[in-house]
Amino acid sequence: GIQVEQSPPDLILQEGANSTLRCNFSDSVNNLQWFHQNPWGQLINLFYIPSGTKQNGRLSATTVATERYSLLYISSSQTTDSGVYFCAVERYNQGGKLIFGQGTELSVKP
Amino acid sequence: EPEVTQTPSHQVTQMGQEVILRCVPISNHLYFYWYRQILGQKVEFLVSFYNNEISEKSEIFDDQFSVERPDGSNFTLKIRSTKLEDSAMYFCASRPQGVTEAFFGQGTRLTVV
Repeated sequence: GIQVEQSPPDLILQEGANSTLRCNFSDSVNNLQWFHQNPWGQLINLFYIPSGTKQNGRLSATTVATERYSLLYISSSQTTDSGVYFCAVERYNQGGKLIFGQGTELSVKP
Repeated sequence: EPEVTQTPSHQVTQMGQEVILRCVPISNHLYFYWYRQILGQKVEFLVSFYNNEISEKSEIFDDQFSVERPDGSNFTLKIRSTKLEDSAMYFCASRPQGVTEAFFGQGTRLTVV
């Protein structure tokens, strides 16, 4: 099956710093989504980005499908950005089944 | 904005008891999913459901699990005889026809004691 690898596994930042999270995947995909899991365990959908670049406030994401990676940028980080960030992908013709990476655990210190 | 809703947010059950987790997908969506996340681990696919039948299920989804769309709005996951290792967050997701983006509920935390 498709492999999804996220890096780094853990990241500690000071408030106000910028960061880049990476997601590599081993096969062509027709869906890629980034999620933030908050301390209560809820999955918050950040981006649907099978290709291209999107921005939403301090967050932006870029997927280079031909090179099989996606990046999530967090600028001017805040303590509320803490939590685990997951990348999830769907291979073509998989009926919507998402395969998740292991996540990047981000901790933003005041 | 329409959203997927899951109830309850947290359920505690005794080992061996049956539990039903409930989800209300977004109303015009046709594809439904359940995922599971054991504490500290990644989110794993359990089952997909389309046109009133299971499309695909993972190895985790054994005979103890079943899904149902009983009334055209709810989508349920039943665990017949819970084990300690069923303790996890369970997420429901849905998507419409022709769209690959999946919309997730907020999850149900199941604790088996």
